[in-house]
Amino acid sequence: GDSVTQTEGQVALSEEDFLTIHCNYSASGYPTLFWYVQYPGEGPQLLFRASRDKEKGSSRGFEATYDKGTTSFHLRKASVQESDSAVYYCALSADSNYQLIWGSGTKLIIKP
Amino acid sequence: DPKIIQKPKYLVAVTGSEKILICEQYLGHNAMYWYRQSAKKPLEFMFSYSYQKLMDNQTASSRFQPQSSKKNHLDLQITALKPDDSATYFCASSQDAGVPLYFGSGTRLTVL
Repeated sequence: GDSVTQTEGQVALSEEDFLTIHCNYSASGYPTLFWYVQYPGEGPQLLFRASRDKEKGSSRGFEATYDKGTTSFHLRKASVQESDSAVYYCALSADSNYQLIWGSGTKLIIKP
Repeated sequence: DPKIIQKPKYLVAVTGSEKILICEQYLGHNAMYWYRQSAKKPLEFMFSYSYQKLMDNQTASSRFQPQSSKKNHLDLQITALKPDDSATYFCASSQDAGVPLYFGSGTRLTVL
């Protein structure tokens, strides 16, 4: 079945560090790929999505590029801020249905 | 203003009791969903409804029953509550039976 694998557990960075959270997927055809962010006490919010190979999604300084060759959609940000502390989820929606398949989530911690 | 309203925000119940979690969305969406989030399973799909009809049910237990009295309402009735039901329950919606999803801020349920 379809699946999403992302960086496990948590990532701890200092302000202005470069962020990468890895996301790899397994699905047939051309799934739509998503990044969601969840702040404490809130529901997940859509960051952005991409539907085609080489398409770049971006929002709030975060970006990811759909790579069908490596089946990846890695999240990157050049300079993280304390306000970026949250849990980040990679997800996919396959061609054949609407249901979202979620990664396990990665908690981003910004060290003081 | 929040576009997806979940009530109550916090709920404490005793084992064996019954509770109803309320969800209303004001986005004009036709599809609504319930998700559960706990330490054991970060984000778990439960139900989806489209035009007030059940589309998908991934909940093994019949103790969980969605109720849709209007197109923009999808409540969740939980009977015979168990401590394992303790989790945050998120309601979500989408324009149609598709993506992206928009989430409410959740109801945090604690079963003693």
